[in-house]
Amino acid sequence: GAVVSQHPSRVICKSGTSVKIECRSLDFQATTMFWYRQFPKQSLMLMATSNEGSKATYEQGVEKDKFLINHASLTLSTLTVTSAHPEDSSFYICSARDTGGDEKLFFGSGTQLSVL
Amino acid sequence: EDQVTQSPEALRLQEGESSSLNCSYTVSGLRGLFWYRQDPGKGPEFLFTLYSAGEEKEKERLKATLTKKESFLHITAPKPEDSATYLCAVQVIQGAQKLVFGQGTRLTINP
Repeated sequence: GAVVSQHPSRVICKSGTSVKIECRSLDFQATTMFWYRQFPKQSLMLMATSNEGSKATYEQGVEKDKFLINHASLTLSTLTVTSAHPEDSSFYICSARDTGGDEKLFFGSGTQLSVL
Repeated sequence: EDQVTQSPEALRLQEGESSSLNCSYTVSGLRGLFWYRQDPGKGPEFLFTLYSAGEEKEKERLKATLTKKESFLHITAPKPEDSATYLCAVQVIQGAQKLVFGQGTRLTINP
């Protein structure tokens, strides 16, 4: 099946620093990728929809200046958490849909962000 | 507002004890309903997609069914390796192809 690679799997950073998370579709093209965050024992909450070659669409309540999304190619989207604070600590997961395939989403393995 | 509710929140079964997980939904227009499995610290793994009421899909010990208001994930004679969180998600006709997830059911199968 299709593979979505997400890096890093875990990052620990100091408060005030910025962290970049990469999401790559390895064997298919994805014009749209999605970024979710997940708190312990809770479900996935959609943060934003990343569109190749255009601006991302953010969900209500998500700060676009804090969570910068870049989708520069059909196989790569990045999420940058700027000036991270402890409350940004969470599990971030990206997903992608094969542009030439059916409706199912493939998910990355997630990134556990811990801000000290 | 589109909503997805899963029950129970957690379920403990003995190995071989069959059961069902429920996913009820209220959406403006259903495009598809998805079931995923998620292990701790990992991203969700795709299991099934259902598109219309009456549809059923099977994979090993799992069987998913769909009605106009809910979906069930039936687990037959489960094994300890089936322990995971099972997530249900709906894709609505409007809304840029995004998925709305339920809160999940944490399933534990005791040997």
